Parts: sequence; structure tokens; C-alpha cells
Amino acid sequence: AQSVTQPDIHITVSEGASLELRCNYSYGATPYLFWYVQSPGQGLQLLLKYFSGDTLVQGIKGFEAEFKRSQSSFNLRKPSVHWSDAAEYFCAVGARDTGNQFYFGTGTSLTVIP
Amino acid sequence: DTAVSQTPKYLVTQMGNDKSIKCEQNLGHDTMYWYKQDSKKFLKIMFSYNNKELIINETVPNRFSPKSPDKAHLNLHINSLELGDSAVYFCASSQVRNGGYTFGSGTRLTVV
Repeated sequence: AQSVTQPDIHITVSEGASLELRCNYSYGATPYLFWYVQSPGQGLQLLLKYFSGDTLVQGIKGFEAEFKRSQSSFNLRKPSVHWSDAAEYFCAVGARDTGNQFYFGTGTSLTVIP
Repeated sequence: DTAVSQTPKYLVTQMGNDKSIKCEQNLGHDTMYWYKQDSKKFLKIMFSYNNKELIINETVPNRFSPKSPDKAHLNLHINSLELGDSAVYFCASSQVRNGGYTFGSGTRLTVV
């Protein structure tokens, strides 16, 4: 069965510091992988996605993620965090043969301190 | 604006009532979804419709009934509301070929 694990429930970083949010997935075939961000009281916004090809994908707001098949991981990174990046981040895995159903991780809450 | 819009944004109601949440997308997507986000932020799929046909129906009480009059609309009707139904409900849509969801801004349902 498909599943997504985000090991870090909560992360605190200083503004300007680098960030890495971890995501591990379990899926039998090559998955579609996504990162979403949810600001307080808001819906989910797509940051980036991986379908195939280059394993390093660039997203909006300066985020990037790297697909590592050998580690079943799709970690999200940003070289310099801004205070406005404070939000909840969700990793998701999906595939066409699941009816495009996504499985979401439990989320990582990011706090940015000045 | 092209988007997924859902109404109402907030819904406070008493136990036992029946309520509906509406969702519309003007993105031309062929698949629509309802997700429930609980107090711990966990997102769980409830239903998925593709071109008005139900394709995913997770283990959800039958008090919840989706209705898709056309592929741009997917409404959620809830009968006999219970305290445990309190959550944020998100509508989303996708074009299956391209994957990726576009989410609505959510409906915060509070049952008192």
C-alpha cells in the first residue's frame, strides 16, 4: 500500500538559515511526488512536483526537491528561509493507476525565528 | 479567476442537522475530490469523481453523500451531523493526465 512519512512533526529554523524537510514514501512503481504548503487558515498550494526525468525539481518561492529512488525519498530544500515561509508542509505521493488519488504525509510544521 | 471555489468558508451547526458544502472548479479538470483535514492536520481522501462518476469512495459514514451534477461541480452533503464531523473539508480538482491537485480554500465545519 502507498504511504508517505514525514518524520519531523515540527521544525524551527532561523531566518536566513537553510532548510530541509524530509519525506519518505512507499510505493510499488515510480510515483508522482508533490510538496504542498498550507499557510494558517488557508488551502494547500502546490510548491513543486516530480513525474519523471530530472530528479532535482525546482518549485515556487525558491524551493527545490530531489527524488532519490534508492532512498525512497523526496526531501524539500530551501537555501535561505524567509519569515513568510512559516507554514505547514505536506508531502504527497500519487499515481495514475490509483485513480490519481494522493496519499499525504502528516505534515511538518515550520516555525521561522527572527 | 480560475480556481477551485468552495462555499461556505465557515459553517457552525448543531448536532443532528443536515448541511451541504458546495465546490466548483473552472479549470476544466476532469477529476474532483473531497478531503477531510482533522485537528492534527492529517489529510484523508473521502471521495473522488471523474467526469461525474464516483471512482474513489473511502471508508466514510454513509451520512456523507457526494453529488456531482456535472464535471465542474462536486458537492458534499452531510446528514445527521455529529461532533466528530468537525474538521476542515477541502475540495480539489486535477487533470488526471497531469496529476497535481488544485485545492479550494477549505470549509471549516464546527458541530456544536
